[in-house]
Amino acid sequence: GAGVSQSPSNKVTEKGKDVELRCDPISGHTALYWYRQSLGQGLEFLIYFQGNSAPDKSGLPSDRFSAERTGGSVSTLTIQRTQQEDSAVYLCASSLLLAGGSPSTDTQYFGPGTRLTVL
Amino acid sequence: AQKITQTQPGMFVQEKEAVTLDCTYDTSDQSYGLFWYKQPSSGEMIFLIYQGSYDEQNATEGRYSLNFQKARKSANLVISASQLGDSAMYFCAMRGSNTGNQFYFGTGTSLTVIP
Repeated sequence: GAGVSQSPSNKVTEKGKDVELRCDPISGHTALYWYRQSLGQGLEFLIYFQGNSAPDKSGLPSDRFSAERTGGSVSTLTIQRTQQEDSAVYLCASSLLLAGGSPSTDTQYFGPGTRLTVL
Repeated sequence: AQKITQTQPGMFVQEKEAVTLDCTYDTSDQSYGLFWYKQPSSGEMIFLIYQGSYDEQNATEGRYSLNFQKARKSANLVISASQLGDSAMYFCAMRGSNTGNQFYFGTGTSLTVIP
């Protein structure tokens, strides 16, 4: 596809249930990022992938959050035992991070997000 | 530590007028990039413009220009000839060469264009 896609667009779940959010990056983009945006807030960094590895997991808020990426493409963000404070829009972005390229010039392109509501 | 500050939670502008959205940043990196994103009510983050710390000229992209003042650590976004479709949240972001690939975002400015 032409852009980053995310599914589902909306997810309503009950407290305590597990959810999986999916991100399909732009073809050829090696880097993939997950962010969380609470209502009326800026973006909170969660995790970053370079290829299939995640060199930076510093933003994951708790051990209930995990993410994986397979084949250097699709990524899934899993939230176990969801809590009401997990309700937010989860945004995925990808970028073409060239080997040896300066990260300062690496533009991220975002997907439409998944709106998660935990009842 | 990296920090982005947007001090204007909300701005109004008359249609066809120009508007400046403020952004200041704090970093110890020598090489960094500054980005502006637009987020309409649909929620998608749309990349608008990029400025590199070593770029001597201000970036321009259509009706968008970035007023980069390195000594003041400011990277204000200027939108010329505002249109109703410009009404949205605008986020300033920064990425430094020594902070891996993490973007730091400001809290955003809500722009409303008045007909």
